[in-house]
Amino acid sequence: SAVISQKPSRDICQRGTSLTIQCQVDSQVTMMFWYRQQPGQSLTLIATANQGSEATYESGFVIDKFPISRPNLTFSTLTVSNMSPEDSSIYLCSVASTGELFFGEGSRLTVL
Amino acid sequence: GQSLEQPSEVTAVEGAIVQINCTYQTSGFYGLSWYQQHDGGAPTFLSYNALDGLEETGRFSSFLSRSDSYGYLLLQELQMKDSASYFCAQSNYGQNFVFGPGTRLSVLP
Repeated sequence: SAVISQKPSRDICQRGTSLTIQCQVDSQVTMMFWYRQQPGQSLTLIATANQGSEATYESGFVIDKFPISRPNLTFSTLTVSNMSPEDSSIYLCSVASTGELFFGEGSRLTVL
Repeated sequence: GQSLEQPSEVTAVEGAIVQINCTYQTSGFYGLSWYQQHDGGAPTFLSYNALDGLEETGRFSSFLSRSDSYGYLLLQELQMKDSASYFCAQSNYGQNFVFGPGTRLSVLP
């Protein structure tokens, strides 16, 4: 299993600002995944973060809006840029092990 | 893109058995996993199937039929604390996971 720490756990942000979410894993992993969960909805994959290379973004998500860093095998950040109220969501960091996903506690962002 | 299908809501009483179905896309399919999410919490892993058949983990079991592109989560001896949202997720050879829309389970006394 993996223990994942995310911060901030929640934040209230102003429209037009940017916020960076940090994700720390207690073991070295090749891939880290960033998901978004809008209120009452399922989880949608934003991107896969690989150490040493550019993140791979899913359809509908772009690097300018959601820049990702992956400086080493235990850490990643996701920035939500130029926020609007539509970005109010829970953002979840996760890692995989043989068909199982482990999640951080999530970062609940409210954009006013 | 890929899409999975689940019932949106299921209601059952304490002590009962409930089955939550999930159909998935075959393209790139590697396995099917299930997650529980309580309101305000993060998803937690319940069960995983890569091969056909039943996997049992305590009160929770999961089944997969690759020929039918279908799986289900079986919850036995339901308890009030089982009221939550349940998601199936398809893992692919590219090692990404795609989630179903979720099923909200309400357990009544």
